[in-house]
Amino acid sequence: DTGVSQDPRHKITKRGQNVTFRCDPISEHNRLYWYRQTLGQGPEFLTYFQNEAQLEKSRLLSDRFSAERPKGSFSTLEIQRTEQGDSAMYLCASCGGLATNEKLFFGSGTQLSVL
Amino acid sequence: SQQGEEDPQALSIQEGENATMNCSYKTSINNLQWYRQNSGRGLVHLILIRSNEREKHSGRLRVTLDTSKKSSSLLITASRAADTASYFCATEPVLYDNQGGKLIFGQGTELSVKP
Repeated sequence: DTGVSQDPRHKITKRGQNVTFRCDPISEHNRLYWYRQTLGQGPEFLTYFQNEAQLEKSRLLSDRFSAERPKGSFSTLEIQRTEQGDSAMYLCASCGGLATNEKLFFGSGTQLSVL
Repeated sequence: SQQGEEDPQALSIQEGENATMNCSYKTSINNLQWYRQNSGRGLVHLILIRSNEREKHSGRLRVTLDTSKKSSSLLITASRAADTASYFCATEPVLYDNQGGKLIFGQGTELSVKP
């Protein structure tokens, strides 16, 4: 257990439905990341926060995806009007301190299946 | 987009043998990290090497970095069946404003250690 929690572990939804995932990072970590991973591939960067500020969002991310970190603690990732291509493992990670050279602590991920 | 490319994509060895995985990347970096992922789980940080370092050791792990060739290698000595997992390199690109912070992962090497 790395100390990063993700909920739910699994989500099955029908195409067109909205889904929301939650991530609780390690409490003292100020940076929080979202990645997406499909089978046999490496994690693909989606977005990251420093405290409550969203510093970068991948250009590959459509407008159907939105992430928030309202109080600089937990974060949510929402996917609107889900498509079958959204099926993947969604990973959250956090790291602490102000230095740029920090290791990430990953949660176990949320496995999304869009039918 | 993926920055790093791992080689080989898959590696199968006997327990007790050494395993070597290679990673190549495209842009200047602040640091390079290696992560391990067991099937269906989140990633676990193994080792970090900074851009001004050439070699680093941690237990049975040895990492080298050649910034002139934009490549790194991970050596696992005296492998065990429990080392069976996917291994990913991740780079933190140098950004124009030097803020950094984002890790870009490669496609991974799937290591199988047979007892």
